[in-house]
Amino acid sequence: QVQLQQSGPGLVKPSQTLSLTCAISGDSVSSNSAAWNWIRQSPSRGLEWLGRTYYRSKWYNDYAVSVKSRITINPDTSKNQFSLQLNSVTPEDTAVYYCARELYYYDSSGYYFGNAFDIWGQGTMVTVSS
Amino acid sequence: QTVVTQEPSLTVSPGGTVTLTCASSTGAVTSGYYPNWFQQKPGQAPRALIYSTSNKHSWTPARFSGSLLGGKAALTLSGVQPEDEAEYYCLLYYGGAVVFGGGTKLTVL
Repeated sequence: QVQLQQSGPGLVKPSQTLSLTCAISGDSVSSNSAAWNWIRQSPSRGLEWLGRTYYRSKWYNDYAVSVKSRITINPDTSKNQFSLQLNSVTPEDTAVYYCARELYYYDSSGYYFGNAFDIWGQGTMVTVSS
Repeated sequence: QTVVTQEPSLTVSPGGTVTLTCASSTGAVTSGYYPNWFQQKPGQAPRALIYSTSNKHSWTPARFSGSLLGGKAALTLSGVQPEDEAEYYCLLYYGGAVVFGGGTKLTVL
């Protein structure tokens, strides 16, 4: 049974860096058929995908255009977890942050037929305020 | 900026059938957008229901089904139960990027 356990501070000061960690159990951050995502949710912005990290012979990252200049998602293979860093935060970054596994599905012929965000962390409410 | 649009709210009677839709500002939604559907109840994380248009997870109740309908992704609930009252979100893929819809609040009344 795959589980994701989030940790990190719930309060960050403006202009500082938001840092969260997502610990994985029941799967590997180095899996060749998964990617590891961060998503946030706020009343003003709804659900917003932030980015992912994944391993396909080497490590890759994809980031949303809206946060690309401020975001870093890193895997930690020694602890089987991945992290989110969001720099220069403002009150607009106040949200519930979720980590999620994204599975890549292939049929018996090895043909790719889609992705699923199947497992989510419990969520962390992060408030940006002085 | 790509926008994914859902009905803001829908109401259905217990035992009834309702269809939620998910539209893309870029045009017709096809299977290549790999639509996903999620259910979210207050204070909880989203729960995955459907992936790649119509595929169910092992935990997805049989009364939920996904399809493409009139250029949109669709989620149909047949034989609605009171516990289906929740917010429902779709997700579409645009290359490597992912965009969520604004959500549909489903009321069972």
